[in-house]
Amino acid sequence: QSALTQPRSVSGSPGQSVTISCTGTSSDVGGYNYVSWYQQHPGKAPKLMIYDVSKRPSGVPDRFSGSKSGNTASLTISGLQAEDEADYYCCSYAGSYTFEWVFGGGTKLTVL
Amino acid sequence: QLQLQESGPGLVKPSETLSLTCTVSGGSISSSSYYWGWIRQPPGKGLEWIGSIYYSGSTYYNPSLKSRVTISVDTSKNQFSLKLSSVTAADTAVYYCARQGSIAARLVAFDIWGQGTMVTVSS
Repeated sequence: QSALTQPRSVSGSPGQSVTISCTGTSSDVGGYNYVSWYQQHPGKAPKLMIYDVSKRPSGVPDRFSGSKSGNTASLTISGLQAEDEADYYCCSYAGSYTFEWVFGGGTKLTVL
Repeated sequence: QLQLQESGPGLVKPSETLSLTCTVSGGSISSSSYYWGWIRQPPGKGLEWIGSIYYSGSTYYNPSLKSRVTISVDTSKNQFSLKLSSVTAADTAVYYCARQGSIAARLVAFDIWGQGTMVTVSS
């Protein structure tokens, strides 16, 4: 079970759009539609932003969207706002033979 | 509103066993639609899934930690617990408990998290 691969950092100006990638294998991201994304501000617990690849929990702005192509999932944040600056983590089900989960290494989003 | 709260010692000696409890309030841990998980985050690093448990007691562990981890549930107290044995400095981290949705919940993700508790392994 290896961690999913995310870029260490991305940045964008207010109002712009950014996309964070999350690359795995056919045993995790590519094999199941159970990719989720979490936002974490410093010193805080992670917050669920996207689940089942592209669904948003109640209360999450529609500026946040998710998608998947092959073994790579993506989180897109449009209309960047200052409060979007945070760390973002992807997570995927990886249980070919059992119930396992794997996280990405995290991406630091900087709003310029 | 469902809430989770971790509790346990903030300092553990090397080679000893780390023990944490997660208390669930505002809802039942015995819901058939959810699992209950532990996730940790070493200082300045990313998240790592430790393991999950179903209210029936079925457990699932990260293969890299499986030999040292035990997760249990006490439905009468609405709590679930983590034990990690033979700890080293590498186990120093913030430990989170979280509710984990299932296909039955139509939300397969960690949707509600505790605030986290810092555990330091040091003599």
